[in-house]
Amino acid sequence: GAVVSQHPSWVICKSGTSVKIECRSLDFQATTMFWYRQFPKQSLMLMATSNEGSKATYEQGVEKDKFLINHASLTLSTLTVTSAHPEDSSFYICSAGLRGSGYTFGSGTRLTVV
Amino acid sequence: GENVEQHPSTLSVQEGDSAVIKCTYSDSASNYFPWYKQELGKRPQLIIDIRSNVGEKKDQRIAVTLNKTAKHFSLHITETQPEDSAVYFCAASRGNDMRFGAGTRLTVKP
Repeated sequence: GAVVSQHPSWVICKSGTSVKIECRSLDFQATTMFWYRQFPKQSLMLMATSNEGSKATYEQGVEKDKFLINHASLTLSTLTVTSAHPEDSSFYICSAGLRGSGYTFGSGTRLTVV
Repeated sequence: GENVEQHPSTLSVQEGDSAVIKCTYSDSASNYFPWYKQELGKRPQLIIDIRSNVGEKKDQRIAVTLNKTAKHFSLHITETQPEDSAVYFCAASRGNDMRFGAGTRLTVKP
C-alpha cells in the first residue's frame, strides 16, 4: 500500500518555459501531499504542503507565483515551475502519507533548465 | 519551527562493523521520528520509525533509540553490508509538519 507515482522522472526545458510535475497517490487518498527540492548531496527541503481543495502552504522563501501547486483531487497534486531559469534546475520530489506516519515518496523529477 | 540536526555527515565503516547515526530535534511536541535510506538517484525509502511513546525499536539489523528528555534519537545498524551504503536521513514530525536532517552518507567497505 501507499504507492506514490511521480511523472516525469526527468525533464529538460528551455529558460522561460514552464514545466508541470505530477504526483499521484495510487492506492490511497491523500488530502495532503508535500513537495520537496533536493540539491545534490543535500537534504530534502520542504517547499510547500499541498492541500486538496484549498491553497497550498508555502515555506518561507519559496515563491508561490513561481512554483504553482494545484491539488484538485484526492489523488493528484501538480507542481508547475513557471518561467524556469537554470537556477531552478534541481531534483523535485513529492510525498504523501497518513498523518503522523511515514511518508511514501515519489520517484522524483530531475529538472534541467538550459 | 522544528530544527533537526544530524551527525555525522559522512561515515565509513568496515563490512561487519556497526554504524550509528545521531539526530537531535528542537520541538518537544514532535512525536514521530522516521528514518529514510536514499540510494543514489532513487527516492528515499522508509526503513524504520519510532513514536514518542517508545524508547527503542528494532527490526533485524536496524534499531532506533529515542531519548525524549534529551530530544535526540539514533539509528543503529549492526553487521553492516556493502548494500547498506547510502544516504540516511532522520526526520522529526508533529502532525503534518516533518523536517529532515541533513543526511549521513554511509559507506560500507567490503
